[in-house]
Amino acid sequence: ETGVTQSPTHLIKTRGQQVTLRCSSQSGHNTVSWYQQALGQGPQFIFQYYREEENGRGNFPPRFSGLQFPNYSSELNVNALELDDSALYLCASSAMTGKDEQFFGPGTRLTVL
Amino acid sequence: QKEVEQDPGPLSVPEGAIVSLNCTYSNSAFQYFMWYRQYSRKGPELLMYTYSSGNKEDGRFTAQVDKSSKYISLFIRDSQPSDSATYLCAMTNQAGTALIFGKGTTLSVSS
Repeated sequence: ETGVTQSPTHLIKTRGQQVTLRCSSQSGHNTVSWYQQALGQGPQFIFQYYREEENGRGNFPPRFSGLQFPNYSSELNVNALELDDSALYLCASSAMTGKDEQFFGPGTRLTVL
Repeated sequence: QKEVEQDPGPLSVPEGAIVSLNCTYSNSAFQYFMWYRQYSRKGPELLMYTYSSGNKEDGRFTAQVDKSSKYISLFIRDSQPSDSATYLCAMTNQAGTALIFGKGTTLSVSS
């Protein structure tokens, strides 16, 4: 069984740029959730995708957007990067079967200069 | 008041000690409660998943949920240096939806 994978591992961008982060869900999972974890904080929910549709969104501005593909992999896009966007971005997958434990990937560390 | 409160520590214990980690919450709609372990610069790893009130045991780990007090706990018996990590509590009102996390408690177990 393949776990959740994310790419890239880390990247550095400058203010105003755009970034795309990628996530492959665990085998058998059809739901992907994205979280932002600032240093010293718990993860904060950005949004969730289920069967290629957004299935819930946290308190993040529209410049945070996402996609889910037919193979259930997902992308997180962030436009007009700000310094405060520097964080660990985590992807979690789940099965939407009623128990629905969420399993996290290793994360992408984004630094905005 | 934040929805989930968790003392960030740090908590330092000797090897073999019993560790107690706790979270309180304010939203009575929460039904599913989780504990994750996160090593430095890694993603969170699911340790315990509990529905509603009661106890759940898995090896050296015991999770307790007291919904009447809005209080959850994780106990680690015979703690090991490899248990040194940040422990995050998380909860949600509906399985599979947005998890609300505490800030995490940093635990250090010395040999």
